[in-house]
Amino acid sequence: GEDVEQSLFLSVREGDSSVINCTYTDSSSTYLYWYKQEPGAGLQLLTYIFSNMDMKQDQRLTVLLNKKDKHLSLRIADTQTGDSAIYFCAESIVNQGGKLIFGQGTELSVKP
Amino acid sequence: DVKVTQSSRYLVKRTGEKVFLECVQDMDHENMFWYRQDPGLGLRLIYFSYDVKMKEKGDIPEGYSVSREKKERFSLILESASTNQTSMYLCASISGGGRYTEAFFGQGTRLTVV
Repeated sequence: GEDVEQSLFLSVREGDSSVINCTYTDSSSTYLYWYKQEPGAGLQLLTYIFSNMDMKQDQRLTVLLNKKDKHLSLRIADTQTGDSAIYFCAESIVNQGGKLIFGQGTELSVKP
Repeated sequence: DVKVTQSSRYLVKRTGEKVFLECVQDMDHENMFWYRQDPGLGLRLIYFSYDVKMKEKGDIPEGYSVSREKKERFSLILESASTNQTSMYLCASISGGGRYTEAFFGQGTRLTVV
């Protein structure tokens, strides 16, 4: 079945770059997503990438996609304390009405 | 501009009680989902619905049921609450449903079963 895997924790210093990694299994996924969950809140879409791209940049965020290895990463440049949150990788299952499969979430801790 | 609203932020219920978690969206989406979130396990899909009166089991439906009588409202029901159902419950309403989808989440309901 479909599966999305992430490491659970990442700790960085303020100003450093953060890289959060994800692997997925469904090769038919057309889009892959990163969601952010701040403490006490639901998830919000942070960014996404279309499967025929290998990179997407959006201000401090860079998404890299290696479709051959089914590996997705999110890089946050100049990480700030406000970036502390849980980051979820997700893929949408096209033949199931766009059902989203989420990874376990990576808790990013940014130390001043 | 609240888009997905869950009826309660925190709930404490007793073992064996019937529990209703309500979710309302104002975006006229057809697809709605219920997930539970547990540390280290991420979001696991309980049930989803593509339209009024339609429902599909997700990955962990045991002990749960759902109701979708109106397009904007999707209810999760715990028939007889048990302590292993203590969790954060997240409702999502999804635009698209084809190749690109975006999920809009409620703020979550933290349920404790004692």
